[in-house]
Amino acid sequence: EDKVVQSPLSLVVHEGDTVTLNCSYEVTNFRSLLWYKQEKKAPTFLFMLTSSGIEKKSGRLSSILDKKELFSILNITATQTGDSAVYLCAVANAGGTSYGKLTFGQGTILTVHP
Amino acid sequence: EAGVTQSPTHLIKTRGQQVTLRCSPISGHTSVYWYQQALGLGLQFLLWYDEGEERNRGNFPPRFSGRQFPNYSSELNVNALELEDSALYLCASSLRQTGELFFGEGSRLTVL
Repeated sequence: EDKVVQSPLSLVVHEGDTVTLNCSYEVTNFRSLLWYKQEKKAPTFLFMLTSSGIEKKSGRLSSILDKKELFSILNITATQTGDSAVYLCAVANAGGTSYGKLTFGQGTILTVHP
Repeated sequence: EAGVTQSPTHLIKTRGQQVTLRCSPISGHTSVYWYQQALGLGLQFLLWYDEGEERNRGNFPPRFSGRQFPNYSSELNVNALELEDSALYLCASSLRQTGELFFGEGSRLTVL
């Protein structure tokens, strides 16, 4: 069965700090890895990574995938209080009984204090 | 462009009752996914519908069921509600097989 493990489970920082969130995975037939941000209810899409070593960047957020070591990191620089949220990592399986579904990790709760 | 919409946003039921949750996908999206997010737990995959058919199902009992209509909207039905069914039920849609899911705001179900 596909598995996604995120670390740390929670993180408290001050505005301006840089944070790195980790995601390791086991999947039988890897298709893509996705990062989501969940503030209240609806997770909002951040990045989708399919190729190893290619950084995806959006403003202060960036992410990279290592398909050999089976992990991804999400970096947030110069954190702001608005970055406080649960960050979810998920993997998509390209075939078999897991086809079509995303398997999510338990999430990292990020709290940014002023 | 409207996002994924779900209804109702909140509801309270008692044990043994039945509930129906509704979801309208983003226009042009043919795939609809249902996830359960219980308090303190991650998102658990429930069901995937595409082109009106159930394509995959998570590890949930048969009392969780659903369907997708010709206009690609979807319903999730839960029969014989149990206390542990209390959760946020999230619907998501995607263009088929792109892997990028867009989520609705969810339906918060409380079972007393």
